Amino acid sequence: SQKIEQNSEALNIQEGKTATLTCNYTNYSPAYLQWYRQDPGRGPVFLLLIRENEKEKRKERLKVTFDTTLKQSLFHITASQPADSATYLCALEASGTYKYIFGTGTRLKVLA
Amino acid sequence: EPEVTQTPSHQVTQMGQEVILRCVPISNHLYFYWYRQILGQKVEFLVSFYNNEISEKSEIFDDQFSVERPDGSNFTLKIRSTKLEDSAMYFCASSERGSSNQPQHFGDGTRLSIL
Repeated sequence: SQKIEQNSEALNIQEGKTATLTCNYTNYSPAYLQWYRQDPGRGPVFLLLIRENEKEKRKERLKVTFDTTLKQSLFHITASQPADSATYLCALEASGTYKYIFGTGTRLKVLA
Repeated sequence: EPEVTQTPSHQVTQMGQEVILRCVPISNHLYFYWYRQILGQKVEFLVSFYNNEISEKSEIFDDQFSVERPDGSNFTLKIRSTKLEDSAMYFCASSERGSSNQPQHFGDGTRLSIL
């Protein structure tokens, strides 16, 4: 069956450290993978997308990698800050459709 | 920065009643979406809409659900006869184009509570 999985346990890290979140998928062949941030009671906010033939994408303190062999994307926040505390979601489009599938999200808490 | 707006922010409805959730997508966007998120669970795709037609829908989007773009700015989700399990946050999103390389812009949702 098709699945997108993220580490459902919360991730607590100290301010200033790098947070690394994982997104694994099975039985999809996405051309792109997207990452969103969701704060409590709010809608998801787009952060970054990465194409299947890109190994890495950066935006300020954010970095995303995409390994289509492992079927995995990693999302890194460097020099993390308490304001980075949120739930981070990965998402992809089921191939050839306009149907978008989200992972369960990983809740990140950055401790001051 | 333009944003997607949703109304109402909270809707309380008796089971069996009809409910309409409203969204104003970003004005130059052409693709529209509805998602739902049951408390503590993941964001689930309901439907995508382009050129006044449904492009794709999920198994959740059964005959009780319908979408409409009644004018040039609004995009609505109707649930005909609500059930207790329809209680959730409903998010509207829009994107400029339908390709998966397009970010989706989400509203802040309508919390639907069915009593």
